[in-house]
Amino acid sequence: DIVMTQTPLSLSVTPGQPASISCKSSQSLLHSDGKTYLYWYLQKPGQSPHLLIYEVSSRFSGVPDRFTGSGSGTDFTLKISRVEAEDVGVYYCMQGTHLPAYTFGQGTKLEIK
Amino acid sequence: EVQLVESGGGLSQPGRSLRLSCATSGFPFDDYAMHWVRQGPGKGLEWVSGISWNSARKVYADSVKGRFTITRDNAKSSLYLQMDSLRPEDTALYYCVKDIGSGVVDMASGFDYWGHGTLITVSS
Repeated sequence: DIVMTQTPLSLSVTPGQPASISCKSSQSLLHSDGKTYLYWYLQKPGQSPHLLIYEVSSRFSGVPDRFTGSGSGTDFTLKISRVEAEDVGVYYCMQGTHLPAYTFGQGTKLEIK
Repeated sequence: EVQLVESGGGLSQPGRSLRLSCATSGFPFDDYAMHWVRQGPGKGLEWVSGISWNSARKVYADSVKGRFTITRDNAKSSLYLQMDSLRPEDTALYYCVKDIGSGVVDMASGFDYWGHGTLITVSS
């Protein structure tokens, strides 16, 4: 199975400041169809995960534009341009290229200073 | 509005069985593959199983292969997970999850909508 490694595992950010989370995969996530199936999810405290970013850089419906996904191959990044209090929670990356086993990163816990 | 509502969780002894259900609404259920994902207490996310739109293809994580069976009833817009030979390490919150893409379960894709989960505790 593909191993997804996130860094850092936790970060504390002052509201209004940027934040960045890295996700690295053990193999390239570029599929033979030309797409890269890398997703970002946020699990807010006490809630189920919800989709933020699909296929590396496309924002899901209703996701604020302060969230930006980027990367290619094995290296991916989620950036929050200006962190808000409602952004606290655990962020997960997930690969959907090498199936049938979808695999997640360990999660990155975002806290507000 | 897409809704996924799991049920069937509870306490079970090792070696026993449980059956999870997921009632869905708000989208054409029979157009999409569906999955189960679990989260152990204080742990991360683990994909468990997936099923194609027409039940023709079912896939499982190695950790549950041979013990869990995924099924669906398109007429009822419902997803199920039969969990046999339960182990303490199966203790987790189990989420019903909708595939974002095609109805084929092992075609490259991801997940868009998640239910709130149902808790399974396996302990003697």
